[in-house]
Amino acid sequence: GESVGLHLPTLSVQEGDNSIINCAYSNSASDYFIWYKQESGKGPQFIIDIRSNMDKRQGQRVTVLLNKTVKHLSLQIAATQPGDSAVYFCAEKAGYSTLTFGKGTMLLVSP
Amino acid sequence: EAGVVQSPRYKIIEKKQPVAFWCNPISGHNTLYWYRQNLGQGPELLIRYENEEAVDDSQLPKDRFSAERLKGVDSTLKIQPAELGDSAVYLCASSLVAEETQYFGPGTRLLVL
Repeated sequence: GESVGLHLPTLSVQEGDNSIINCAYSNSASDYFIWYKQESGKGPQFIIDIRSNMDKRQGQRVTVLLNKTVKHLSLQIAATQPGDSAVYFCAEKAGYSTLTFGKGTMLLVSP
Repeated sequence: EAGVVQSPRYKIIEKKQPVAFWCNPISGHNTLYWYRQNLGQGPELLIRYENEEAVDDSQLPKDRFSAERLKGVDSTLKIQPAELGDSAVYLCASSLVAEETQYFGPGTRLLVL
C-alpha cells in the first residue's frame, strides 16, 4: 500500500550546523504534510505544516520544502541546537483521510 | 492554554489483566484521536472521534479494545484482556476539526508482563 518513509534513520550534526531531514511519500493524492518532533518520553510536538499548493514554508529556524514532482518533503533546521535532538516524523494526509506517519529520523546534535 | 492531558503516564500490568487510559483534549477541540506507537515507529491511528461519534475505528482491534467519548469531551480507551503485544505508548491527540493540525498528549506507556 502507499506509505510515508524516511531516507535516514539517524542524523548526527554539530551544534550550529544546519540540518536537513528528508521524507519520501508515495500517495500522490496527499495534500497536507506535517513535521513533528518527539523528544524522549514525550508526545509528538507540532513543528510546521505545508499544504500541497505550496512548495516552501518557513517558521522560526525551520523551513519545510515540498517537491510534488518527486514526492519529497524535507525539514531544514537552521543553526541546530542541542535542544533540537529528538526523533522527527513526517506525516501526510489526503483530504479527509487519516494522518499517516513515517518511521522517524533521529537527530543527534553534539555541542 | 492547557494541552492534551493523559493519565496515567505509565502502567505496568500482567497479561490478561484489563487496563484503561484517559484523555482530556484541548478545550474546544471537537476531534479526538487515539494512536498506538511502538518503539521506533510512528504513531498509528486506532480510533477517531468527531464529538461523541466514532467516525473511524477501522484499525481498532475490537475483540479486546474499546473506547468511548461521553459528552464529546474526555475519552477513555480500554484493553481487556491485555496481551504482551499491547506493550506500547498510547497517544491521544485532538484538533479543532478533522482538517486541522493535531496536537498530541504526552502518552501512556504501557508494559504488559
